Amino acid sequence: NAGVTQTPKFQVLKTGQSMTLQCAQDMNHEYMSWYRQDPGMGLRLIHYSVGAGITDQGEVPNGYNVSRSTTEDFPLRLLSAAPSQTSVYFCASRYRGYNSPLHFGNGTRLTVT
Amino acid sequence: AQSVSQHNHHVILSEAASLELGCNYSYGGTVNLFWYVQYPGQHLQLLLKYFSGDPLVKGIKGFEAEFIKSKFSFNLRKPSVQWSDTAEYFCAVKANQAGTALIFGKGTTLSVSS
Repeated sequence: NAGVTQTPKFQVLKTGQSMTLQCAQDMNHEYMSWYRQDPGMGLRLIHYSVGAGITDQGEVPNGYNVSRSTTEDFPLRLLSAAPSQTSVYFCASRYRGYNSPLHFGNGTRLTVT
Repeated sequence: AQSVSQHNHHVILSEAASLELGCNYSYGGTVNLFWYVQYPGQHLQLLLKYFSGDPLVKGIKGFEAEFIKSKFSFNLRKPSVQWSDTAEYFCAVKANQAGTALIFGKGTTLSVSS
């Protein structure tokens, strides 16, 4: 199994550009989420989804959109990139059960200039 | 809403020293607790987890954590650290109810010198 796959691994954007970070999992996990990791801030939840067609906001949703049209995919869209969105982004998934641990992707390092 | 506090931002130890990383959470209900580790350049990996039962849980690589409900704490321990334990450690908490997300602490960087 591939687990959680994130693409791209690295990306450089200019302010105002848009892009989509891809996330796919092959474990049939109902729950998927996006975190951003910044030095001294830990991981902060951006958006999450408990199943296809259902999404909800996390701690820092502004500037990001998500959709969940299939169980496998959970793309994160930056509509107009800003330097404050320079970060490492992690996608994670798990089964919906209460005691199911998260499985993380390898991360996407995004730089906005 | 739940929150997580990790007391130590950066811990520096020599090999063979004992380790204890503090983690406190705030939430009045039942929680699931986790410690994740992130080695340099890698993604997060689950170190150990607590859901119920014995409050002393053992994880991989000789780590353990103790859940003390009265103190809302879930401290991570290892009797003797190795250079390869150099990493960032994250405590995380999830309310034991449907639809809630996993909330992470800000992390503790552990540097072990050989």
